[in-house]
Amino acid sequence: TQLLEQSPQFLSIQEGENLTVYCNSSSVFSSLQWYRQEPGEGPVLLVTVVTGGEVKKLKRLTFQFGDARKDSSLHITAAQPGDTGLYLCAGVAGNQFYFGTGTSLTVIP
Amino acid sequence: SQTIHQWPATLVQPVGSPLSLECTVEGTSNPNLYWYRQAAGRGLQLLFYSVGIGQISSEVPQNLSASRPQDRQFILSSKKLLLSDSGFYLCAWDPGQGFEQYFGPGTRLTVT
Repeated sequence: TQLLEQSPQFLSIQEGENLTVYCNSSSVFSSLQWYRQEPGEGPVLLVTVVTGGEVKKLKRLTFQFGDARKDSSLHITAAQPGDTGLYLCAGVAGNQFYFGTGTSLTVIP
Repeated sequence: SQTIHQWPATLVQPVGSPLSLECTVEGTSNPNLYWYRQAAGRGLQLLFYSVGIGQISSEVPQNLSASRPQDRQFILSSKKLLLSDSGFYLCAWDPGQGFEQYFGPGTRLTVT
């Protein structure tokens, strides 16, 4: 059972544009992580959010955890080609990890 | 600091041949360990996880198996590979608190 649905599945944008990726579930999570994965490499942890409504910023990336801790979003401002990759969310419930379906982002120079 | 290693990085094997992928973690003790498989550009499929030596839980019935002979070593095996076993295999660990996972560099397996 896939608990976490990400949208969009694929996204291709021009350099300098803004974008938002969504991670949605009907389940409640104690924490949620976002990872970025480049082709041929393992996912790299970007951020962990644990409190409902929490907002964290990492340079041009803004992460938000939903008030009910069922969903999250990742917003990228002024995207750059180096942001290209697969973005994965992962929720933790009962010490079990549930990974999202992934969003493949391509930023065109 | 903790590091996680996987080898080999790439592997091409014929159908019906055996498989052994190895994962080791350094700089921590008693980690939870995971094996995932990933189709191109998609999410992760959990195959096995282990909370301690000799303790293996299987998520997906298949012709793969896993073993944990030492605290920081996790091995993925098969006696006879199928074409459908091709994919990108990732090992991951967490400190046992169900908080964050850290991934190895992965192994690209092609079964021909």
